[in-house]
Amino acid sequence: GNSVTQMEGPVTLSEEAFLTINCTYTATGYPSLFWYVQYPGEGLQLLLKATKADDKGSNKGFEATYRKETTSFHLEKGSVQVSDSAVYFCALRYQGGSEKLVFGKGTKLTVNP
Amino acid sequence: SQTIHQWPATLVQPVGSPLSLECTVEGTSNPNLYWYRQAAGRGLQLLFYSVGIGQISSEVPQNLSASRPQDRQFILSSKKLLLSDSGFYLCACAGAGPNSPLHFGNGTRLTVT
Repeated sequence: GNSVTQMEGPVTLSEEAFLTINCTYTATGYPSLFWYVQYPGEGLQLLLKATKADDKGSNKGFEATYRKETTSFHLEKGSVQVSDSAVYFCALRYQGGSEKLVFGKGTKLTVNP
Repeated sequence: SQTIHQWPATLVQPVGSPLSLECTVEGTSNPNLYWYRQAAGRGLQLLFYSVGIGQISSEVPQNLSASRPQDRQFILSSKKLLLSDSGFYLCACAGAGPNSPLHFGNGTRLTVT
């Protein structure tokens, strides 16, 4: 079936550190891939997306590249800020499915000053 | 771009009482609509989705139900709440096709006592 696996959290970093959150997926066909961010007490916000192999999604200094050969979509940021503290979800949506979004379990990031 | 309205933001209900959560969408027509639940410290569980008026698909058998009486209105209901229904309920909408991301409302925090 279709699934998303994210690295286990929580992740704690110091301000200006480099961030990587790993995400791998299993899917039939060619899914679209997404990263969402959830700040405390809020709903999910779309952070970035990629719809085909080798696409790079980027937003607010975050980047992720759709790697078909490794079925991965790792999230990276070169220099994190305290305001990046949140839970990050990797997700996929696939053609011919039931129109739903399949989520990973989420990775909590805490950035300390 | 679309805007999703969810209310109420927080709700405390006794066990056995009924539930009605409403979600309305602006800025788009004929969207796919979704209800997700997020239990404390856990990932997102898809409860229901709808691709059109009166069309509801259920992902999990439980004492919740959903209805879509209008194109941009999605309602989550229960006749008798259980303690296990506590959680953070999120409404989302999306266009058809895998490239369209889901956009989420701000959620309803439900506590069943």
